Amino acid sequence: EVQLEESGGGLVKRGGSLRLSCAASGFTFTSYGMHWVRQVPGKGLEWVSFISSGSRYIYYADSVKGRFTVSRDDARDSLYLQMNGLRVEDTAVYFCAREGIFGLRWGQGSLVTVSS
Amino acid sequence: VMTQTPLSLPVTSGEPASISCRSGQSLLPSDDGYTYLDWYLQKPGQSPQLLIHTVSSRASGVPDRFSGSGSGTNFTLKISRVEAEDVGIYYCMQRKEFPYSFGQGTSLEIK
Repeated sequence: EVQLEESGGGLVKRGGSLRLSCAASGFTFTSYGMHWVRQVPGKGLEWVSFISSGSRYIYYADSVKGRFTVSRDDARDSLYLQMNGLRVEDTAVYFCAREGIFGLRWGQGSLVTVSS
Repeated sequence: VMTQTPLSLPVTSGEPASISCRSGQSLLPSDDGYTYLDWYLQKPGQSPQLLIHTVSSRASGVPDRFSGSGSGTNFTLKISRVEAEDVGIYYCMQRKEFPYSFGQGTSLEIK
């Protein structure tokens, strides 16, 4: 069974930094691209970033480009999102999700709150 | 840009329901033959779950009352007979090209 568990969320001041982690299990992590998707509480879903298997391809939403960095550690079956220069509008639940031809599989999410 | 209609969908149990998703650009099939348009359901307090992938294929365990169709810029999710457990927010998502994008979400509630 695919399992994705996010961690690292919390309260941070505007301009601060935070690193999210996503621990994967139940599948061969090295074979899959991975995403970060976020959701402002009570609002819709916003795609944030993607990293391919082998880290060859990396993409970001314009809203986070230059501030967020996605990475993966295949030895640890883990995905990361380094978030710098955080803004109040970055407050959201951050989901990691596994890419696949047959759709995305999602974790439970980690709440990031940026205070002013 | 993905545009869903309606944004709110009150339905009587046992009745059908339909959600439309329109893409700002045509979602042509990729070189592998698949059209990367999915439907996800986010039940209250939960993370999104896959319902339909590649336009019309139901995910494992999804009841056959759910069906997806469409091509080009117009896609539809249909529920043949709505049940109480179908309450939540439905999102379409295009995975043809980056940045991936979601519809605004359609909130289905039981009348």
